[in-house]
Amino acid sequence: SYVLTQPPSVSVAPGKTARITCGGNNIGSKSVHWYQQKPGQAPVLVIYYDSERPSGIPERLSGSNSGNTATLTISRVEAGDEADYYCQVWDSSSDHVVFGGGTKLTVL
Amino acid sequence: EVQLVESGGGLVKPGGSLRLSCAASGFTFSSYSMTWVRQAPGKGLEWVSSISSSNSYIYYADSLKGRFTISRDNAKNSLYLQMNSLRAEDTAVYYCARDPGIAAAGTPHFDYWGQGTLVTVSS
Repeated sequence: SYVLTQPPSVSVAPGKTARITCGGNNIGSKSVHWYQQKPGQAPVLVIYYDSERPSGIPERLSGSNSGNTATLTISRVEAGDEADYYCQVWDSSSDHVVFGGGTKLTVL
Repeated sequence: EVQLVESGGGLVKPGGSLRLSCAASGFTFSSYSMTWVRQAPGKGLEWVSSISSSNSYIYYADSLKGRFTISRDNAKNSLYLQMNSLRAEDTAVYYCARDPGIAAAGTPHFDYWGQGTLVTVSS
């Protein structure tokens, strides 16, 4: 089965740039989607189709996908960005949705 | 406004059954695939099952081993998850989510989520 690998945690100072990676075999050939989840809340879609932002998501959040790694980039990090972030793809070989293990973003 | 409201969670003994419901409003329910995703306490997101807009395609996570059944009633704008032979490891918050993507195109993703319903399996 297809596996998505995320770092368990990323720490960044306010105002700096955070990059959260999502590794998978030839993930660049898939559409990658990203979710933000704050404690006690439901996940929120923040990036879809690798780099598209839903309405209401700030431009500071961006996505890229190439080769074996997809990346969620958060520029000018704010305290409110502190959350868990999950990447997700559709694995057509198994007809399964696959989530990464999640990355906890800590704003120092 | 898109709204998804789950219900039906609660405490159930191992081996028991539970039926979750998700009431949808604010969009044309019959035009969208729908999905159940669960999250065990302190753990990450785990996909459970998806169903296409017209019931033509249904997918399940391998870990369920035939114990769960997803269904929908487009006339009632409702999504369901029948859970049988429940185990302690099924304890989780269960979310329903709307999927504007198309499995055949490799694009399933979830743009709206409910607040979740907690299922606790314990004796």
